[in-house]
Amino acid sequence: NAGVTQTPKFQVLKTGQSMTLQCAQDMNHNSMYWYRQDPGMGLRLIYYSASEGTTDKGEVPNGYNVSRLNKREFSLRLESAAPSQTSVYFCASSEAAGQGTAHTFGSGTRLTVV
Amino acid sequence: DQQVKQNSPSLSVQEGRISILNCDYTNSMFDYFLWYKKYPAEGPTFLISISSIKDKNEDGRFTVFLNKSAKHLSLHIVPSQPGDSAVYFCAATPTGNQFYFGTGTSLTVIP
Repeated sequence: NAGVTQTPKFQVLKTGQSMTLQCAQDMNHNSMYWYRQDPGMGLRLIYYSASEGTTDKGEVPNGYNVSRLNKREFSLRLESAAPSQTSVYFCASSEAAGQGTAHTFGSGTRLTVV
Repeated sequence: DQQVKQNSPSLSVQEGRISILNCDYTNSMFDYFLWYKKYPAEGPTFLISISSIKDKNEDGRFTVFLNKSAKHLSLHIVPSQPGDSAVYFCAATPTGNQFYFGTGTSLTVIP
């Protein structure tokens, strides 16, 4: 039972490079999320997808784009990486958006932008 | 501006004693609250939640208390065990779509 799988686990980018973080869940969840975790800041929501075919901005969306490819997959793209995007990125899913649902998180992607 | 705050970055407790982790929030629209536990190099895992219509929710050794008038919630772990050593995050949501997390409290349970 894999749950939420994120790839890659580690990545180093040069400023200005682009990359896509991949996320897939096998729990038939409707909602998916991308967070970043920075020291002293907790987890902050970047984008979420309440259901297949929809995406919405979270607290810190600037510099990112997302694609809900299908019900299973939700990718996060950095078009032109900046050092301020150095962070640990977590993907999560939940059965549905709304009250009474908790996230299942992936193990994270540690991204360094130099 | 941090809407969910955990003012204690760390806490140490003896095995068998009670651990109390605190969380404060500023947004009165928050009506569902959750606690997550995180080990190093892993993603957070869900621990316990509470709706604003309740003031207490219990699950085994874990109890969450909510004081809406004070905009404060706490997680009690009794008895604390070494395996409870982890970082604990509280989270809150007004809608179930946007979730706001605290900065975390690192709990160390001393054998």
